[in-house]
Amino acid sequence: DADVTQTPRNRITKTGKRIMLECSQTKGHDRMYWYRQDPGLGLRLIYYSFDVKDINKGEISDGYSVSRQAQAKFSLSLESAIPNQTALYFCATSDFKGSADTQYFGPGTRLTVL
Amino acid sequence: GENVGLHLPTLSVQEGDNSIINCAYSNSASDYFIWYKQESGKGPQFIIDIRSNMDKRQGQRVTVLLNKTVKHLSLQIAATQPGDSAVYFCAENRAGGTSYGKLTFGQGTILTVHP
Repeated sequence: DADVTQTPRNRITKTGKRIMLECSQTKGHDRMYWYRQDPGLGLRLIYYSFDVKDINKGEISDGYSVSRQAQAKFSLSLESAIPNQTALYFCATSDFKGSADTQYFGPGTRLTVL
Repeated sequence: GENVGLHLPTLSVQEGDNSIINCAYSNSASDYFIWYKQESGKGPQFIIDIRSNMDKRQGQRVTVLLNKTVKHLSLQIAATQPGDSAVYFCAENRAGGTSYGKLTFGQGTILTVHP
């Protein structure tokens, strides 16, 4: 979805390096999410933010941190990358309405840690 | 723990056939379900959703069926086309509590459509 953009799209780095993945959205949604996708494991939630002042850990937050710089921007950092963080990373946004909270995903960042 | 899973990891069909992709869920508190399609190299794309107060919902060439009694969800694609080839994920959105607004995804089913 072009309304949700991620940079970079691909990144190769070395063990121990600090990496930042960025996500921007023009959908005007309050909620933003970071997931990682590994083969056979589906999508797993790393962190989520329901508004600029609200940051929450997901199911696999260890080794990651996030920053919600503005409503439209949500960045994910790997403070000291390790090889098992090699994965596809997706940002998503949603606009909660009643009991429906459909999430819209960005194109993903493929991260390789050597 | 609670999870959403799929019965079949792969499905191969001929172009023009109907496809049925299944999903089982175990969280009876879930009140909203979504199907996503993920093409190679792209992020998941919303296909169709259904609330727990419904049994069936139809979209363009797609129908989602929800059976709350057996906690089963299915996605039916009519007249499947090669462009439908992708990985399909079901996801549940739990109602209320601290888990609200977080989606839990199944592992995905690979659909391959042969011309």
